[in-house]
Amino acid sequence: GAGVSQSPRYKVAKRGQDVALRCDPISGHVSLFWYQQALGQGPEFLTYFQNEAQLDKSGLPSDRFFAERPEGSVSTLKIQRTQQEDSAVYLCASRHRDSREQYFGPGTRLTVT
Amino acid sequence: SQQGEEDPQALSIQEGENATMNCSYKTSINNLQWYRQNSGRGLVHLILIRSNEREKHSGRLRVTLDTSKKSSSLLITASRAADTASYFCATELSGGYQKVTFGTGTKLQVIP
Repeated sequence: GAGVSQSPRYKVAKRGQDVALRCDPISGHVSLFWYQQALGQGPEFLTYFQNEAQLDKSGLPSDRFFAERPEGSVSTLKIQRTQQEDSAVYLCASRHRDSREQYFGPGTRLTVT
Repeated sequence: SQQGEEDPQALSIQEGENATMNCSYKTSINNLQWYRQNSGRGLVHLILIRSNEREKHSGRLRVTLDTSKKSSSLLITASRAADTASYFCATELSGGYQKVTFGTGTKLQVIP
């Protein structure tokens, strides 16, 4: 079946612009995660959803970052007033309720100029 | 912050040799997972070991876990050029937390 998809794959934003990154998880996966990965580093946890409920947002770096999953499927990560330090790859992952294995999307590479 | 740290940061071996990479973490865990990341296939789950397990095998992969030392190792036997990638350990904390914390990664190069 189809894996996790993310769009856009690449995004260039001018500093101060708002961006929206989309994640389509594997159908039926209850859990959805967002990560931020800087160059040469491991993914850093941002937030976690179980269905439509955002149960953990402890990793969001500032109140400029906002995530939603209103119908328990597609999720959007929004970054307001982007800064240069927001430049990174944003990864989305989903997980079946009976498994601990996360399935990752290809990521969105965000470059803030 | 990264919970785990992998060692070495980079490793270069000849095809056919074994590759060992280590992971240390800081707090009690529910399980530890290893993931591989390369440009072609993105981040892929390899193997999971639970806190009450000491060793696990999957194909050419062998994982050990020592909870008293808060460390794990991943052994890849008979390496292939296709194993060239970055390898990350990821820990799921005990206590019902869902978030998974990744380490800093080991970059493995397998030379044909």
